[in-house]
Formats: sequence, C-alpha cells, structure tokens
Amino acid sequence: NAGVTQTPKFRILKIGQSMTLQCTQDMNHNYMYWYRQDPGMGLKLIYYSVGAGITDKGEVPNGYNVSRSTTEDFPLRLELAAPSQTSVYFCASSYDGTQYFGPGTRLLVL
Amino acid sequence: DQQVKQNSPSLSVQEGRISILNCDYTNSMFDYFLWYKKYPAEGPTFLISISSIKDKNEDGRFTVFLNKSAKHLSLHIVPSQPGDSAVYFCAASAVDSSNTGKLIFGQGTTLQVKP
Repeated sequence: NAGVTQTPKFRILKIGQSMTLQCTQDMNHNYMYWYRQDPGMGLKLIYYSVGAGITDKGEVPNGYNVSRSTTEDFPLRLELAAPSQTSVYFCASSYDGTQYFGPGTRLLVL
Repeated sequence: DQQVKQNSPSLSVQEGRISILNCDYTNSMFDYFLWYKKYPAEGPTFLISISSIKDKNEDGRFTVFLNKSAKHLSLHIVPSQPGDSAVYFCAASAVDSSNTGKLIFGQGTTLQVKP
C-alpha cells in the first residue's frame, strides 16, 4: 500500500512551458486535493475532486487545470508556466475528513 | 482573510519539556480540527484530530485541546523529543452541503526541540 504518490519530485520549467504533475492514490479514496505551499505560508487549495468525473476550484485555481477520470488519479496541469507558480505542490486524498498527503513536487519556473 | 491563524512562526523548547503550539480560527462553522507535522522535503503527515463535540483528544504524547468559545485550539507534546522538530500545521474544516472535506490550513509553526 503506497498511499499517495507524486511525480516528478522536482522540475525546472521555462516561462510559458506546460507540464502535468501526476498524483495517484491506492487507498480507494473518493476525495482528492491539490495544494501549493509557498515559503512561510500554509497550504493553499488549488483544486479538489469528490469523485471520478467531478472537480471544482479551490482558493487559488488560476493558471491550473485538473481532471479526474479514475478514482486513483488526479493530475494537475499547468498550461503556461509563470514565475508565480514556483512552489511546492502537494496532492492529498481522503475518505473521512482526514487528508493523507503525497511527498510533494518542487517546481521552479525560470 | 486568514480563517486559521498560527501566530507563532517558531518555538524552541528543551528536550523533555512540554511544547505548546497554538492555533486560532475565526469561522464558527468549523467543526473538525486537525494537526499535521511536516519534515523538510516531505509531505505533511496527520498527527491528531478533534471534533467540535469534544474539548480534548489524547494520543500518546500528543494532546489537542479545543476551546470553542475562544475559537482556539492547542497541541501539547509531552515530553518533547528532538525527533519532534518539524513544522506543525493546524487545519480546520466545516460541514458543507457538498461534503467536500476541504481543509483550511494555518501558516505553520516551526518547532525546534533542543537536546
């Protein structure tokens, strides 16, 4: 049981490039979330999903997109990377209100 | 509009003593509170939680206290150990009609336990 896994661990992007951050969970959780954490700040919710085929915006969704075609996977897409998207991204899943996090993806946009 | 606040960015305590981390919230609809611990280059890990129908929850060395009238919760670690050195986040959620389970996080408090 791997829990929540995220790939890649680290990525450098040039301004304007696009990429997909992968998130997979093997706990059969319905709820999944994407957060970003900036230095000295808490986690800010980007997007969330309450089940396959259902997604909704969180607190800071601009510049991102998500999809949820299966229960296990919840990829986060950056279409036109900007320096303001330099951050650490965490994916989480839940079934009872307690969220379980992946190890994070560190993204640097230059 | 910071609905969950951890006003102390850092805390330093001696090994064996008590660590008390504090968290304040503004939204009276919050009914479930959690503490997470985060080591560098890792994801947050769940530590302990409390429902609004309780005022205390204990798990080994960790106890969370909830004061609903003051909209305040605290995490007590007794005794503190060097391995407890990490960033601690409090988080809160409110029951909503969509049952989304969304959490609102505080900014975090860095705890350093000195040997």
